[in-house]
Amino acid sequence: GAVVSQHPSWVICKSGTSVKIECRSLDFQATTMFWYRQFPKQSLMLMATSNEGSKATYEQGVEKDKFLINHASLTLSTLTVTSAHPEDSSFYICSATNSGGSYGYTFGSGTRLTVV
Amino acid sequence: GENVEQHPSTLSVQEGDSAVIKCTYSDSASNYFPWYKQELGKGPQLIIDIRSNVGEKKDQRIAVTLNKTAKHFSLHITETQPEDSAVYFCAASEGSGGSYIPTFGRGTSLIVHP
Repeated sequence: GAVVSQHPSWVICKSGTSVKIECRSLDFQATTMFWYRQFPKQSLMLMATSNEGSKATYEQGVEKDKFLINHASLTLSTLTVTSAHPEDSSFYICSATNSGGSYGYTFGSGTRLTVV
Repeated sequence: GENVEQHPSTLSVQEGDSAVIKCTYSDSASNYFPWYKQELGKGPQLIIDIRSNVGEKKDQRIAVTLNKTAKHFSLHITETQPEDSAVYFCAASEGSGGSYIPTFGRGTSLIVHP
């Protein structure tokens, strides 16, 4: 089956610093990756969609200069939260799919970000 | 765009009972309907999915039914166990790969009492 590995699982950082979250597809080529943010007891909020080798497409209201997404290879996408503030504290989850959709949408295990 | 409504938001059952979660969608172009289970502090895990050319799909204690005419699909869990307690999300999408973007329901918190 399809496996997506997300790291770190949790991170604490100081206000003003940047944090990078990695999302790797281990056994398939992830042509498209999605990044979500999830608040407690709420659904998944899509932040951006990235296709390998292309610039990410951000959802309305998501600051692209704050949430930098890189999808440079078919197995790796990264989300960098720049100049993090306490309000950026949240659960971030990536999801990946291949071009044919044979694996559906496979999610990573999520990253709990706490900004202090 | 697609709109997915999911009910109920919370479902409490006794161990051994059945649980049913229902979703409706608005876009007739949607043809892929996955269900995810999310345990606390973890990412969602695909538990079953169905495509629009099929009306029902089963996998042991889990089944999904789809009514394309009425634009609704349901998750059925039989013989529930405490480890089934989690948040369940339904989703609808025009496809399952490429750049199709799934739309998720708001989730159902299933509590199975021993």
